[in-house]
Amino acid sequence: GAGVSQSPRYKVTKRGQDVALRCDPISGHVSLYWYRQALGQGPEFLTYFNYEAQQDKSGLPNDRFSAERPEGSISTLTIQRTEQRDSAMYRCASSFSRGALNTEAFFGQGTRLTVV
Amino acid sequence: AQTVTQSQPEMSVQEAETVTLSCTYDTSESNYYLFWYKQPPSRQMILVIRQEAYKQQNATENRFSVNFQKAAKSFSLKISDSQLGDTAMYFCAFMKQPRGGYSGAGSYQLTFGKGTKLSVIP
Repeated sequence: GAGVSQSPRYKVTKRGQDVALRCDPISGHVSLYWYRQALGQGPEFLTYFNYEAQQDKSGLPNDRFSAERPEGSISTLTIQRTEQRDSAMYRCASSFSRGALNTEAFFGQGTRLTVV
Repeated sequence: AQTVTQSQPEMSVQEAETVTLSCTYDTSESNYYLFWYKQPPSRQMILVIRQEAYKQQNATENRFSVNFQKAAKSFSLKISDSQLGDTAMYFCAFMKQPRGGYSGAGSYQLTFGKGTKLSVIP
């Protein structure tokens, strides 16, 4: 596609429910990242995929958070048993390759998650 | 671990004037990239400018330029001839060289500062 697409744009969920956030990266982009951005803060790294392999999940805050990218394209970030502190903007980014000339990450519009 | 500090939560500048946004970082890495991202009210994240740490020459992109001081671990952004469309949050970000070099395995994760809110006043 023309850009990184995330859905839904907005999600309101009740505490304790599970949510799934979707990211469709730019076609051909090998690397995919998930970030979380709290209000008034910069984005914080959550996890990274190279093709379908989740190579770094060091930023996932706890085991309620998981992510997958089964076919090396679309990725899903799942939050189980949501808590109010999970409320934030969740951003996906993709980049073409791991080469030094391709360190530019293209960000999606984000999913604004509100847990009530 | 790397940290990025933006000490100016908010700044304002008159249209057509020049403004400089500050950023300092802390790292033990010798090879890395530095970035400035712009986040307008639409909440997009847009890359403004990128600097490779091994390059001594400061990066420039039209009205945007950086002052990269590697020894001081400082990376400021200068916006010349400010325009109303420059009103946005600006984030400084750090990316270390992944394990195995830039062609190897390892993530190109970005570490962001807390941002500076820039308002351009007509």
